[in-house]
Amino acid sequence: DAEITQSPRHKITETGRQVTLACHQTWNHNNMFWYRQDLGHGLRLIHYSYGVQDTNKGEVSDGYSVSRSNTEDLPLTLESAASSQTSVYFCASSRGLAASTDTQYFGPGTRLTVL
Amino acid sequence: KQEVTQIPAALSVPEGENLVLNCSFTDSAIYNLQWFRQDPGKGLTSLLLIQSSQREQTSGRLNASLDKSSGRSTLYIAASQPGDSATYLCAAEDSGTYKYIFGTGTRLKVLA
Repeated sequence: DAEITQSPRHKITETGRQVTLACHQTWNHNNMFWYRQDLGHGLRLIHYSYGVQDTNKGEVSDGYSVSRSNTEDLPLTLESAASSQTSVYFCASSRGLAASTDTQYFGPGTRLTVL
Repeated sequence: KQEVTQIPAALSVPEGENLVLNCSFTDSAIYNLQWFRQDPGKGLTSLLLIQSSQREQTSGRLNASLDKSSGRSTLYIAASQPGDSATYLCAAEDSGTYKYIFGTGTRLKVLA
């Protein structure tokens, strides 16, 4: 069955380290998204991509980067991890149909702790 | 800038009760509105998607309505069950960009 996976599921790192979170989908979806979820803020969009070689900044993109070299993967990199980036990170994808009918499918999440 | 609000933040009801979850959004120029369910420690699962031209969608015991003019959507759950206990989030798609703006969710607990 087609799915969207994230790895690792849990990560503890130290301030200043570079961290990469993986996201892989097997639906051949055009669109991919990264969100972070924090208490009191809900899900906030970090970066998104409409296709290979396309990336765009979301509302909380500072300190994060993404690259889209193929359809299946959108890795999220924290250039220099900060304690404020401790959060649960979700990857999502959608087909890129007519916008009014496009459903997003979510991965299981990665819990990141920055000490 | 689109803002999505969900009230109440938490709700506890006895099994069998019919209940309504509320979602409001500030910009009526949305392409669709989607309701999701999130279980603890899990990702989000899509429940219902209402296109901007539609007024409501139904799936089993769930019914979602959309009133763009007033900036409101409601999720109606009939005959609630303990298995319905989860956090319910609504999300408005921002003007055809495929980007969703999420509310902070309503945490529902259905007591047996």
